[in-house]
This record gives sequence, C-alpha cells and structure tokens, in this order.
Amino acid sequence: GAVVSQHPSRVICKSGTSVKIECRSLDFQATTMFWYRQFPKKSLMLMATSNEGSKATYEQGVEKDKFLINHASLTLSTLTVTSAHPEDSSFYICSARDPMTVYEQYFGPGTRLTVT
Amino acid sequence: AQKVTQAQTEISVVEKEDVTLDCVYETRDTTYYLFWYKQPPSGELVFLIRRNSFDEQNEISGRYSWNFQKSTSSFNFTITASQVVDSAVYFCALRGSSNTGKLIFGQGTTLQVKP
Repeated sequence: GAVVSQHPSRVICKSGTSVKIECRSLDFQATTMFWYRQFPKKSLMLMATSNEGSKATYEQGVEKDKFLINHASLTLSTLTVTSAHPEDSSFYICSARDPMTVYEQYFGPGTRLTVT
Repeated sequence: AQKVTQAQTEISVVEKEDVTLDCVYETRDTTYYLFWYKQPPSGELVFLIRRNSFDEQNEISGRYSWNFQKSTSSFNFTITASQVVDSAVYFCALRGSSNTGKLIFGQGTTLQVKP
C-alpha cells in the first residue's frame, strides 16, 4: 500500500512554544489529508480535513487558530500547534487519501506530543 | 448522523481461544464503507479490511474473519486461535458516501491475549 510519513515521531516542547508536525505522502499525490488526535486509551478524533491549495475544514470544537493546518503541496500537510499547553499533549495522526484509490486512507505512524 | 459503537472496551482471552469483536454502526447513507484497523502499542494504525455496503459476503483472511449484516447494522470481527501478537486496540470505522472521505471511528476494543 501507499506510504505516509510523519515527522517528528516524538516531540517534547515547553509550554507557550509552537510545534510543527509534518505529514507526507511518499509515493502518491494526496489532494486531501486528515488530521486526527488521540488521547490515551481513547478513539481517534478527527480534527480537520486538509485540502491542497485551500483552507482546511475544521471539525466542530477544534480551534483553527490553535491548530494551524497548511497543505501547500500535493505531498505535504503540516499541523502547527501554536502556544502549546500541557493539555495539548496527545498523539496526533495524519492520513492521506489517494485519489487513485478513492476508498482508502493511508495513515501515518503518528506523532506523540508532550508539552511540559 | 453517523456513528460507530464498539461496546466492548476490553477483552482478555487466553492464547488459542477464538474471540469476536463487535461493531455496530449507524448511517442514513445507502452507500457506505466499513473498516477495521489494528493499533498495536507502537501506535501505527494497520489496515485490516474494507467492506462496502453492497457486499454482504463474509470474508476470511487466515485467522481473521468478518461478518457483515446490514439487517442488524453490524460488522463483527472474529480472530480464530488467537495469539499473543494479536494483542492490540482494534477500531471499527465508517465512511459515508459524501466525497469528504471522513472516517468515523468507534471507541476501540482493547484485546489482550495471554499466553
């Protein structure tokens, strides 16, 4: 199957700083990418849909100014957690949708963010 | 509204036992897709199966089998002769017919297989 990478896999940052997470589709072009958040022992919660060349669509309750999403190319979407706080600590997972196989979302390995 | 319910939060079995993970879904779409994913401790989601709403045939893949019943809106997953390596969190997910491609995940079932 198609490969999606995320970088970094783990990041620790201090409260008040911003951190950027990258999601890349390695062998296909993804017009749509998704960002999920997962709390310990919980399910995946969709945060936003990232569309190449346009603004992201955020789910209800997700602060767009807090979680900045940029999908500047067909293989890269970034999620920036601005002014991070300890409650932003979580596991963030991206997925990319391959337009050639419209049913499939390919998931990245996830990024574990810890805010101290 | 679309919803996926996995009522079993945690299941513990002894190796070689069969185990069934339940998944019940809600959707008003006539066309939809159902998925199962495995999430081992590493965190990476592993795709197991996709089933579309028009295909009610049950599927078997090695020790894994899936029972899709539209009449009860269920898509259950059975592991036969479970192994310790099957220990993970398993998620059932639903994608409707809209072109957004959004996946709705169930709460997940943590399966522990003891030796």
